[in-house]
Amino acid sequence: QVQLQESGPGLVKPSETLSLTCAVSAYSLSSVYYRGWIRQPPGKGLEWIGTMFHTGTTSYSPSLKSRVTISVDTSKNQFSLKLSSVTAADTAVYYCARQVAGSPYFDYWGQGILVTVSS
Amino acid sequence: EIVMTQPPATLSVSPGERATLSCRASQSVSSNLAWFQQKPGQAPRLLIYGASTRATGIPARFSGGGSGTEFTLTISSLQSEDFAVYYCQQYNNWPLTFGGGTKVEIK
Repeated sequence: QVQLQESGPGLVKPSETLSLTCAVSAYSLSSVYYRGWIRQPPGKGLEWIGTMFHTGTTSYSPSLKSRVTISVDTSKNQFSLKLSSVTAADTAVYYCARQVAGSPYFDYWGQGILVTVSS
Repeated sequence: EIVMTQPPATLSVSPGERATLSCRASQSVSSNLAWFQQKPGQAPRLLIYGASTRATGIPARFSGGGSGTEFTLTISSLQSEDFAVYYCQQYNNWPLTFGGGTKVEIK
């Protein structure tokens, strides 16, 4: 069955770069699916961060665009998120998710990883 | 950016009763709307896409309706495992946006 698993540091210092990886199984990142990242601050709702299309092009949230990079390593079947110049407002559970090409709802999600920004 | 609104923030329902959740878009999203269920400490789970198509493995008591700017998620007879937070998400336009969520709690 399709699975996604986030990994990375759970604690990042202010002004540094948050880096997370999403490893996928039971499907190939070379196939026609998009790769998405979503976050959820503690006790709050869901916020879309960005998406990489199967072509390799990307779309980012306007509010985060200047700080976000999504990349993919198809040889390892994983994709990554980098968020630079983090502040306490970036503290959240970060989810990776698979998106259906052409209809980009999120059909499978990782379990999520809590990233705290603190010195 | 399309703003998604989900009133009310909390819905109190008794087990076995019908629950109808609302989702409104600030402009038309056609039928490009999904619903998710989230339980404490868990990732969201896809329930509905295309406004009315149940995702794989979702029980028939969940149904979605609407198009354009007004959408509903109906749970025909609430089971104990259905008490959770429900989010809608539009995917008609970029940036993708979620509603603020409706918490369905036990009355």
